[in-house]
Amino acid sequence: DSGVTQTPKHLITATGQRVTLRCSPRSGDLSVYWYQQSLDQGLQFLIQYYNGEERAKGNILERFSAQQFPDLHSELNLSSLELGDSALYFCASSVPASSGANVLTFGAGSRLTVL
Amino acid sequence: AQKITQTQPGMFVQEKEAVTLDCTYDTSDQSYGLFWYKQPSSGEMIFLIYQGSYDEQNATEGRYSLNFQKARKSANLVISASQLGDSAMYFCAMREAGFQKLVFGTGTRLLVSP
Repeated sequence: DSGVTQTPKHLITATGQRVTLRCSPRSGDLSVYWYQQSLDQGLQFLIQYYNGEERAKGNILERFSAQQFPDLHSELNLSSLELGDSALYFCASSVPASSGANVLTFGAGSRLTVL
Repeated sequence: AQKITQTQPGMFVQEKEAVTLDCTYDTSDQSYGLFWYKQPSSGEMIFLIYQGSYDEQNATEGRYSLNFQKARKSANLVISASQLGDSAMYFCAMREAGFQKLVFGTGTRLLVSP
């Protein structure tokens, strides 16, 4: 158990629908990162939050949004889903930025299937 | 431009032998970090080893070592005494100074045979 909790583990939905993926970081970690892993795109960075504020944005579609709450858990909202959004979505957390290696610890992922 | 390149889509090794997984990177920063992660078939991403750009010695963690050649911009992962449980995807990743995110390569699938 990495200490990063993601729910749900599996999700099957239809095109056009909206889903929310949830992530609880490791205790003490202030940063949360979201990654998408698909067969054709590999591991793509979506967005990072640090202590409730957006810190960096990657290849995140406008249909996707995220936030980090005061208790540091984060949610990734995916709307108007398309077949191509089917992927494994990872959340990762890390210790504060002053740490040396800043190792990202990943959750088990949420596997989204859009039919 | 691709920042992390893993040229080996798949590698085969026999149990108890050593294997090297290649990784080259591209950055103009002097300060950066290099990481290797393992992804078994179950899907989770497991951190293996880290090398900082200013570290003079190659990083080692148990059976894992990182062959860091700064001038060649390579950070190859060496797994000694391979085990069946080492069969997995292996990803090389880099973090540049000033950024917290990791940029990943496309991965190498390692298959360890008995």
